[in-house]
Amino acid sequence: EPEVTQTPSHQVTQMGQEVILRCVPISNHLYFYWYRQILGQKVEFLVSFYNNEISEKSEIFDDQFSVERPDGSNFTLKIRSTKLEDSAMYFCASSEAGRGLMNTEAFFGQGTRLTVV
Amino acid sequence: SQQGEEDPQALSIQEGENATMNCSYKTSINNLQWYRQNSGRGLVHLILIRSNEREKHSGRLRVTLDTSKKSSSLLITASRAADTASYFCATDASGANSKLTFGKGITLSVRP
Repeated sequence: EPEVTQTPSHQVTQMGQEVILRCVPISNHLYFYWYRQILGQKVEFLVSFYNNEISEKSEIFDDQFSVERPDGSNFTLKIRSTKLEDSAMYFCASSEAGRGLMNTEAFFGQGTRLTVV
Repeated sequence: SQQGEEDPQALSIQEGENATMNCSYKTSINNLQWYRQNSGRGLVHLILIRSNEREKHSGRLRVTLDTSKKSSSLLITASRAADTASYFCATDASGANSKLTFGKGITLSVRP
């Protein structure tokens, strides 16, 4: 069964360092997302991506964050200068369609646990 | 209440019993999805129900949707210890970019 894969599963980084979280969405999916979940809190939307550009972003997704689809398979989230409060589980998701055109499921990866020290 | 708010917050039942979890939301939606998360792990998609559907089944899962009350319920029948997890409802609001808004989740414990 196709699945969204994320690497690494756990990343520890020093405050101020840049991190890149990687995701391989399901191959025939067109819409990609990043969400995060701070320990014990809700899963929060960060950004959606379609046709090589950001469709929507939340207020969490400030200038420190960027996303990229560097090739036909990977989808990355970069945090330029990490802060302690960036510590969270980051989930990548993909879906066949978005923008309310079709009701399709969003499939999530296993997540990357980011710890900023 | 916030969009996608579940209740109860925690539920403990005996194996074999049914578990009912509820979700309420505030805005109109395209669809509502339920996810499961085992402790510290990823989100597993369980079921999607569209705004024009009232009930949906998948194995031991039954989901209902009442758009007039802006609420949904997830019923797990004949629960197993392996069903122990957190369950989240997530709404896809009409006219939005299909981003999902999650509730805080319900912690289900199934005692063997």
